[in-house]
Amino acid sequence: DTAVSQTPKYLVTQMGNDKSIKCEQNLGHDTMYWYKQDSKKFLKIMFSYNNKELIINETVPNRFSPKSPDKAHLNLHINSLELGDSAVYFCASSQGDRGLGQPQHFGDGTRLSIL
Amino acid sequence: AQSVSQHNHHVILSEAASLELGCNYSYGGTVNLFWYVQYPGQHLQLLLKYFSGDPLVKGIKGFEAEFIKSKFSFNLRKPSVQWSDTAEYFCAVTLGGYQKVTFGTGTKLQVIP
Repeated sequence: DTAVSQTPKYLVTQMGNDKSIKCEQNLGHDTMYWYKQDSKKFLKIMFSYNNKELIINETVPNRFSPKSPDKAHLNLHINSLELGDSAVYFCASSQGDRGLGQPQHFGDGTRLSIL
Repeated sequence: AQSVSQHNHHVILSEAASLELGCNYSYGGTVNLFWYVQYPGQHLQLLLKYFSGDPLVKGIKGFEAEFIKSKFSFNLRKPSVQWSDTAEYFCAVTLGGYQKVTFGTGTKLQVIP
């Protein structure tokens, strides 16, 4: 039974397109995250939501817009895709009020390739 | 802002060799410390964590890490590695009571049979 699931697993698209990645967690966690892992494996937080409220918004282009319809879902929409957006995007969740430094549970990642 | 340094970018070991991966962080206050592992093509999984108490923390698969506050370090160790330990290892830090996680740049471990 997958705890944090992301779809799609692979996404290949052209520059300028708009795409969405979906994330769902069935762990009952209150906090969810989006991370970007580049080709050098560097993992950087993009957004964090706690109970549908945005609490972390790192320096990310506003072409990236997270949406949390409920606390079990955090989707990532990307407008006008650029070559530099090619990366693996990981969704994660953690327990408790605003995570409070709790371990994070990661999804399998979405490998986004921009042609 | 806190930062996390992993100085070993790529480590190659033979099976049964001992492992130590370095992790240093820059923050003088209370921290929570983690090691995550990412096997090829998979997502990150928690190996072990330190919140408080005994600075020597034991995790899954025979890994352990020692928190040395005076050195701002949280090095990962395993006495005898196996081929199946081949993976990328990430150290991570959160400030006590604050949920933003900062990851190190990762160390790629390659174990040769």
